Amino acid sequence: EAQVTQNPRYLITVTGKKLTVTCSQNMNHEYMSWYRQDPGLGLRQIYYSMNVEVTDKGDVPEGYKVSRKEKRNFPLILESPSPNQTSLYFCASSLGGLMNTEAFFGQGTRLTVV
Amino acid sequence: GQNIDQPTEMTATEGAIVQINCTYQTSGFNGLFWYQQHAGEAPTFLSYNVLDGLEEKGRFSSFLSRSKGYSYLLLKELQMKDSASYLCAVSVNDMRFGAGTRLTVKP
Repeated sequence: EAQVTQNPRYLITVTGKKLTVTCSQNMNHEYMSWYRQDPGLGLRQIYYSMNVEVTDKGDVPEGYKVSRKEKRNFPLILESPSPNQTSLYFCASSLGGLMNTEAFFGQGTRLTVV
Repeated sequence: GQNIDQPTEMTATEGAIVQINCTYQTSGFNGLFWYQQHAGEAPTFLSYNVLDGLEEKGRFSSFLSRSKGYSYLLLKELQMKDSASYLCAVSVNDMRFGAGTRLTVKP
């Protein structure tokens, strides 16, 4: 089954404790991205990757890191989480680099930083 | 800047027709997407328009006017399960989303 898998689904952590949210897709997609979703603000892009070893900042990259060492995986790293990073996070992938094909989303990770 | 605007909330009656509008101002355009998102779930793809005109897919249709920076999603024969948020997204170098329209379908 074609899918994007995120882990964990739920996470409560403390300020400053490094964490990684994993994302994996099995569709051989070139394009992957991370979004955060907050009430009233919609989906805001954090980082995106056009292909292996190619990553770019989205609208809200501060406090986040990503890596794309292999095509299927695109982990999101919070080196020192803060309460304002409490949000619902989605990973997405699509076939086309120009995003002219539909995006497939993971099930989301609800992160709470206390 | 990049602006994608859509109404925050809409309410409609089961069996009726509803139109959700989206206006955009972006630096570049590779197409416009509509996604459906039920509460707490991932967005799922509904439609894609890159040329002007109407695209029909079952009960859902989407319209695009590039010269006006305008799109709408038309939902016919509304069902209770259509209660969800509907996200307008414009493809530039990446994908930019509007804040979404929360649709409530009432009996």
